Amino acid sequence: NAGVTQTPKFRVLKTGQSMTLLCAQDMNHEYMYWYRQDPGMGLRLIHYSVGEGTTAKGEVPDGYNVSRLKKQNFLLGLESAAPSQTSVYFCASSYLDIVQGTQYFGPGTRLLVL
Amino acid sequence: QQQVKQSPQSLIVQKGGISIINCAYENTAFDYFPWYQQFPGKGPALLIAIRPDVSEKKEGRFTISFNKSAKQFSLHIMDSQPGDSATYFCAANRWAGSYQLTFGKGTKLSVIP
Repeated sequence: NAGVTQTPKFRVLKTGQSMTLLCAQDMNHEYMYWYRQDPGMGLRLIHYSVGEGTTAKGEVPDGYNVSRLKKQNFLLGLESAAPSQTSVYFCASSYLDIVQGTQYFGPGTRLLVL
Repeated sequence: QQQVKQSPQSLIVQKGGISIINCAYENTAFDYFPWYQQFPGKGPALLIAIRPDVSEKKEGRFTISFNKSAKQFSLHIMDSQPGDSATYFCAANRWAGSYQLTFGKGTKLSVIP
């Protein structure tokens, strides 16, 4: 049982490049989330999904897109990276919603946009 | 607009002492208040959580105190240990089409021997 895994662990992009971050969970969780964490800041929710085939916007969705084609995977896409997207990205999943179920976080992806 | 204010930003406590981290919120729609612990290079992990219908919750050495009228809640770590050295985040949950957490900025705790 690997829990929540994220790929890649670290990436450097040039402004304007695109990339996809992959989150995978093997706990059969319905809910999945993408957060970003910036220095001196708490986590901020980018997008989330309450089940396969569903996605919704969080607090800071601009510049990102997501897809949940399979229950176990939640992809975060940056179509045209900007320096302001330099951050650590965390994926999380939970069996039930936040109040009823524990959120399990992945180890994070460090993204540097030059 | 930050909706959850956390203090202090950093905290140094002697081994065996009590660590206290405070959070305040403004939005009365918040209905669930978790605390997360994060070690360097790792993702956050849920530590303890409380609902506003209780004033205190204790799990081992960790206690949440909740003051609904003051819109404040705090984390107390009793008998602090070097292994507790981490960054702690408070958060507050509200319904916005789905439950969503708003996080405080974090407190870096260092427990020195």
